[in-house]
Amino acid sequence: KAGVTQTPRYLIKTRGQQVTLSCSPISGHRSVSWYQQTPGQGLQFLFEYFSETQRNKGNFPGRFSGRQFSNSRSEMNVSTLELGDSALYLCASSLDKSNTIYFGEGSWLTVV
Amino acid sequence: QKEVEQNSGPLSVPEGAIASLNCTYSDRVSQSFFWYRQYSGKSPELIMSIYSNGDKEDGRFTAQLNKASQYVSLLIRDSQPSDSATYLCAVKGGGNKLTFGTGTQLKVEL
Repeated sequence: KAGVTQTPRYLIKTRGQQVTLSCSPISGHRSVSWYQQTPGQGLQFLFEYFSETQRNKGNFPGRFSGRQFSNSRSEMNVSTLELGDSALYLCASSLDKSNTIYFGEGSWLTVV
Repeated sequence: QKEVEQNSGPLSVPEGAIASLNCTYSDRVSQSFFWYRQYSGKSPELIMSIYSNGDKEDGRFTAQLNKASQYVSLLIRDSQPSDSATYLCAVKGGGNKLTFGTGTQLKVEL
């Protein structure tokens, strides 16, 4: 059974640009969450989608957005990139609330 | 007060010893508790989940939960050098959001 797949794995962007990251959850999983991991702040929750609806949102500015498609695949977008957005972005999936959450390998974003 | 607290370490133990990792949480409505292992440059990997008070064992790993004390721990028996990693404690409340501690770095020395 394939795990959570994230693309791209590594990318470098310039300040002010925008970026879109993609996530394919484990087959059958309908909940997709996004997390940001930085050395200073640790792992922080960005948002969660379930059945194409945002169900929960963390404390991040509006530059961070996401969406989920009918096949449960998800994308997150960061606009007007700042140096501080450099981080590992992790996608996680689960069947629903009562189930275990599994992480993908992450997308390493460097903003220069 | 942070929502989930862990000692950052590093925690150094000799090979073959028991490593004990601890975590406290502040939200009493938390329902599910997880331990993830993260190697440097890699994503978190689920090791254990625990939902009820008491102990849960899986191979060399034992998770312990005490909801009254808002405390969860992970014991690793017969520690191996390959266990050297950062261990993240995560707590889930009523929703599907995980709140993580900052992680404890474990070093298993030969």
